[in-house]
Amino acid sequence: AQKITQTQPGMFVQEKEAVTLDCTYDTSDQSYGLFWYKQPSSGEMIFLIYQGSYDEQNATEGRYSLNFQKARKSANLVISASQLGDSAMYFCAMRASNAGGTSYGKLTFGQGTILTVHP
Amino acid sequence: SQTIHQWPATLVQPVGSPLSLECTVEGTSNPNLYWYRQAAGRGLQLLFYSVGIGQISSEVPQNLSASRPQDRQFILSSKKLLLSDSGFYLCAWRRGPTRTGHGYTFGSGTRLTVV
Repeated sequence: AQKITQTQPGMFVQEKEAVTLDCTYDTSDQSYGLFWYKQPSSGEMIFLIYQGSYDEQNATEGRYSLNFQKARKSANLVISASQLGDSAMYFCAMRASNAGGTSYGKLTFGQGTILTVHP
Repeated sequence: SQTIHQWPATLVQPVGSPLSLECTVEGTSNPNLYWYRQAAGRGLQLLFYSVGIGQISSEVPQNLSASRPQDRQFILSSKKLLLSDSGFYLCAWRRGPTRTGHGYTFGSGTRLTVV
């Protein structure tokens, strides 16, 4: 079974500073995908960044980067130059696989981290 | 373009009443479809997924059921709602096998309150 753990219920950061949101995962699969989503108060799920388990370089998307440490099974999200609009709930997720290696695209989510950016 | 529609946006229903939430996808064919539920302040829990018409897989035993009568239509139902069914329901679809993370799209969600 797959499991995603986000140990930070809430995080605070000053505007324009960087912040790291933690995510650890547990899986026995060799091939998997890791995702970060942003959920503002409206409830929509906004895709931020993706890291494949075989990708040798850390993923980056604008101000977002993923610090992927495969041996430690961690996939932390780094947001640089925080903006007030970054205040939201952030979810780490993993694409799961069943025993036969077929995932059907199912995502397993962590409990989320609420990020608050202060001016 | 590829879009996903989910309705209604909010719903207040009494305990014991039926439920029907609908999700439709445009601009694609044979998508994988998913229903997730999010309790207040919590993560998303996968309820059902479907890889084709009439094919439904349930992830957790519960008071809900799902159906896929058409390729791009996914329906979440209940015959009698419980208080514990309250939550935020999200429909999602995936374009198919892909190594990128851009293959998932979520609907705007339905906030269900059972009273």
